[in-house]
This record gives sequence, C-alpha cells and structure tokens, in this order.
Amino acid sequence: DGGITQSPKYLFRKEGQNVTLSCEQNLNHDAMYWYRQDPGQGLRLIYYSQIVNDFQKGDIAEGYSVSREKKESFPLTVTSAQKNPTAFYLCASSRQGNNSPLHFGNGTRLTVT
Amino acid sequence: GESVGLHLPTLSVQEGDNSIINCAYSNSASDYFIWYKQESGKGPQFIIDIRSNMDKRQGQRVTVLLNKTVKHLSLQIAATQPGDSAVYFCAEGWGFGNEKLTFGTGTRLTIIP
Repeated sequence: DGGITQSPKYLFRKEGQNVTLSCEQNLNHDAMYWYRQDPGQGLRLIYYSQIVNDFQKGDIAEGYSVSREKKESFPLTVTSAQKNPTAFYLCASSRQGNNSPLHFGNGTRLTVT
Repeated sequence: GESVGLHLPTLSVQEGDNSIINCAYSNSASDYFIWYKQESGKGPQFIIDIRSNMDKRQGQRVTVLLNKTVKHLSLQIAATQPGDSAVYFCAEGWGFGNEKLTFGTGTRLTIIP
C-alpha cells in the first residue's frame, strides 16, 4: 500500500533538547510538507519542499529545521529554540502542481516538558 | 488577516440522516476549496474539492456547494453512517500551490446510532 509513514506516533522530550520527527512516503510524490496542529486552530505550515535538496519556510518556520536529501524522506527537527513545541505534527505529500490533493500521515504527537 | 472559519464547532446527526457542514471564507482571491475528514488520532483525509468556476460538485455520498457571492462553502453528507463521525475542516487556496492553503479549525460531526 502506498502512503505516508510518520514515526514515532508519540514522542516525549525534555525542554532544551532537539528532536527529529520522521516522515517517509512511497507515493513517488515530489512535494512534501510539514504542518502543526493545535487545538482550536487550523493547520499551520512549517516547511515545504517541492523537490529534492530544496525546501522553503512556511508560515511558522522559526525554531524548526528540515532536510530533503531523498525524494521519499522529509524529516523535521524541532529545536530548543521553538518556544512552544508541544503539538501534533502532520506530514503530507502531493504531486506537483495543479492543486493535487495533500496526502497526510497519521501524525506525531510531541510533548515537551 | 484573511481567515477561514466555521459556523458551528459541533454537529450531532441521527444515523441515516443527511448532514450539512458549513465554512465561511474571507479571501475573495481564493479559487480552490477542499474538504478534509480527520478521525481521532489520525491524519486528515481528502474528501472532495472544488474550483471557483463551479458551484457544485458531487462525490460518493458527499456534495460540496460553493457560493462565491457570500463566500460560503458547505459539505453535505447523505445518509450518514457511524464511520462518518469525525472532524471535518475546509481549506481555501489560490493559484496552484498547496503551500498557499489556509485551513479552517473544523467541525466535529457525531453520528447518533
């Protein structure tokens, strides 16, 4: 089955530690995205990548970093600079252009204490 | 700023009845609209989309209506089933890039057996 795999499902970290969230897709999609979901708010775009070795900041990139070394993989690092990192993180992918629908993974819930 | 919102945060519907979920948007430049379904602890699933050159589009048991005059979008689900219980949210965008999407906060639909 083609899809997007995010791991782990739950992640706990101490404040001040960096943490990396994994996102892998086997849909052969060029574009990948990271969103943050908080209660009472719509999804907010953190970073996106339209092609390997290239990525762009979204609306709330501060305190986050990404890499796109392979088409299938788009890991997100939540750094200690992110002031409010506890959230549900969603990775998505899509074909390039023409509003191809986003395909989402099942998310990683990160709790930082 | 521009925002996408929902009229009702929760909606309860008897199994077998039809349900209507509403969404208001404020960006008159938006030309692409999508509905997503999100079950608890999972990522959003694409349901149906519509471009601004249409006012109605039908899928399997779902219909999306677009009223550009009053900037209103609705999702109709026919003959609701228990599996339809979820949070539904709309998104609006313009042009062809998913990075331009703005997501609503969602309506929780509960199907009463």
